[in-house]
Amino acid sequence: GAGVSQSPSNKVTEKGKDVELRCDPISGHTALYWYRQSLGQGLEFLIYFQGNSAPDKSGLPSDRFSAERTGGSVSTLTIQRTQQEDSAVYLCASSSGLAGGVGELFFGEGSRLTVL
Amino acid sequence: GQQVMQIPQYQHVQEGEDFTTYCNSSTTLSNIQWYKQRPGGHPVFLIQLVKSGEVKKQKRLTFQFGEAKKNSSLHITATQTTDVGTYFCAGRLGSARQLTFGSGTQLTVLP
Repeated sequence: GAGVSQSPSNKVTEKGKDVELRCDPISGHTALYWYRQSLGQGLEFLIYFQGNSAPDKSGLPSDRFSAERTGGSVSTLTIQRTQQEDSAVYLCASSSGLAGGVGELFFGEGSRLTVL
Repeated sequence: GQQVMQIPQYQHVQEGEDFTTYCNSSTTLSNIQWYKQRPGGHPVFLIQLVKSGEVKKQKRLTFQFGEAKKNSSLHITATQTTDVGTYFCAGRLGSARQLTFGSGTQLTVLP
């Protein structure tokens, strides 16, 4: 597709279960971001991938959160042993990452996670 | 920790009135970007400012980047109901690789 694709769009899970959220960035974009947005709140940075560089994991809130990006394209955000406070919309964004800078971010529609 | 602050958090205006949101950082920003998020939607890029003191206009929207590159503003002239949404600033703090978003200003335009 032409834009950033995220799946699932909605996920309801029970506390303690693991979840995987997927992001398919725009083809050719080397930079990929994960953000978390709680209801009515701002965007909380989670993790950033740029090309083959080591990811910036400084925003991951706990060791229950992890992310990988395979082949420089698709990314998966995994949350283990989910807690109710993990409930939020998880937004993925990609950027061309040209000139070493941060260009325009293109966001996906997000994955809404509800932990019961 | 380092962060980007945005005020006001909420703003209600009558259609036709002007609106301004302000973004401040304790750290010099390499650049500043602005995004708009409609209710139920995802953030959409509006503009990027890079140079100290830069001013850019898009129709009724005027964006400014402070001389010290620590603050920015978005001004909307004669708001319309289509301007409803949350406006976020976002910037690279110093040499950071990732983009830090402000807390956002939620704009309501009353017809």
